[in-house]
This record gives sequence, structure tokens and C-alpha cells, in this order.
Amino acid sequence: DIQMTQSPSSLSASIGDKVTITCRASQSISRYLNWYQQKPGKAPKLLIYGASSLQSGVPSRFSGSGSGTDFTLTISSLQPEDFATYYCQRSYSTPMYSFGQGTKLEI
Amino acid sequence: QLQLQESGPGLVKPSETLSLTCTVSGGSISSISYHWGWIRQPPGKGLEWIGDIYYTVSAYYNPSLESRVTISVDTSKNQFSLNLNSVTAADTAVYYCARDSTMAGLRAFDIWGRGTMVTVSS
Repeated sequence: DIQMTQSPSSLSASIGDKVTITCRASQSISRYLNWYQQKPGKAPKLLIYGASSLQSGVPSRFSGSGSGTDFTLTISSLQPEDFATYYCQRSYSTPMYSFGQGTKLEI
Repeated sequence: QLQLQESGPGLVKPSETLSLTCTVSGGSISSISYHWGWIRQPPGKGLEWIGDIYYTVSAYYNPSLESRVTISVDTSKNQFSLNLNSVTAADTAVYYCARDSTMAGLRAFDIWGRGTMVTVSS
């Protein structure tokens, strides 16, 4: 099974900072990588699909890059509402998914 | 606007079967464009994909849960359901249902229910 590893597991940052979260797959997954944001007590929200495509309605300060085994989520200028936990997720053409362990972004 | 709502018992006894239903409103579950999935999150932990179903044709399950899981669709009620048997305390979690969409050939869970907490305890 393909394992997804995120780093760091937690991160402290300030308003206006640029932040990068990394996700690594144990083997190549091409561009089948999604990013979600989850706030306490809420369902996850899709931010990025296909490694770099911004989901409709998501602010442009969020961006994704990478292919193969190494991927990044970047927030260009942190806003107060961005403090949350972020998860990467391996997708595929047929449903067989796994999530990273999450990165908690704190003030 | 499509919405999903989970429902079911909040407390299940060990060794029994956990049964949840996800009701889809604002759209048809019979659409060939989507799969429908279940994801869970134990308290304080990360997300775990449980399985997906496509219309009434195909179901896909997490290999670690496959022997205990069944996902089904009831098109007449616009619902899909999760059954997880032989539960233990390790199955205590918030259970989410979600729409699994294909966008430019790439799959993602784009719409989620609010989640329902299920506790396994005697």
C-alpha cells in the first residue's frame, strides 16, 4: 500500500507569513494528490486537487505543486482564518485512497 | 446546492454492527458522474478512508477494513449506507460521508457531510 507522509506535523507561524507544507508518497502517484483544510469540529474542505488545481471558491493565496512522490502546499500570506489542520490525500483513477497524518498550523 | 447529512446511532456495543446512512439532498445519487464515500476520524487523530461506492455497481474498500465493511446505495431514498460489523473501541470516531467527484480526470472529495460521532462502548 502507498503511504503518505506529511511534514512538519505541526507548524507555528504569524499573520502574513508564507508557509509550505510537504507531502511525500512512498511511490510515484503522478499528480493524484489532493489537499484539504480542517478546522476544529468541522468537516474537511477541499483546497487543491490534482496536485495544483485550485478548487472553486478557494482563495488564490493557496497553491499546490509537485508530481511523482513529492508535493507541497503553499500559503503565500497567512490570514487568521488559515490556522487549521491540513491533510494531503492520495487519489487515483479508481477509488483507493489514503491520507497523510496531518499538519497542524498554529499561531 | 448539494448537501449530505449523516444519521445513525451515536452509541454501538462492542461486537455489534455500526450502521450509518448518508442522505443526499439537492442532487441525485444516481448521477453517473460521482462516487460516494465514507471517511472516519478517531478523536484527536487523522482521517481514514473507509470506502466508496459508484451508483449501485461497484464498491471499493480500504483493505484494512474490507472484511468488516459494506457500503450500499438506495436510489429510491437518495441515500447511501455504511455497515461496519464486529466493532471495537478502535472504531470510535467521527464518521463523514462525502461526494467523490472527478474533475479533469482527477478524483477528490469535494462535498462533505458535517459528520456524526459514533462511540463503541458497552
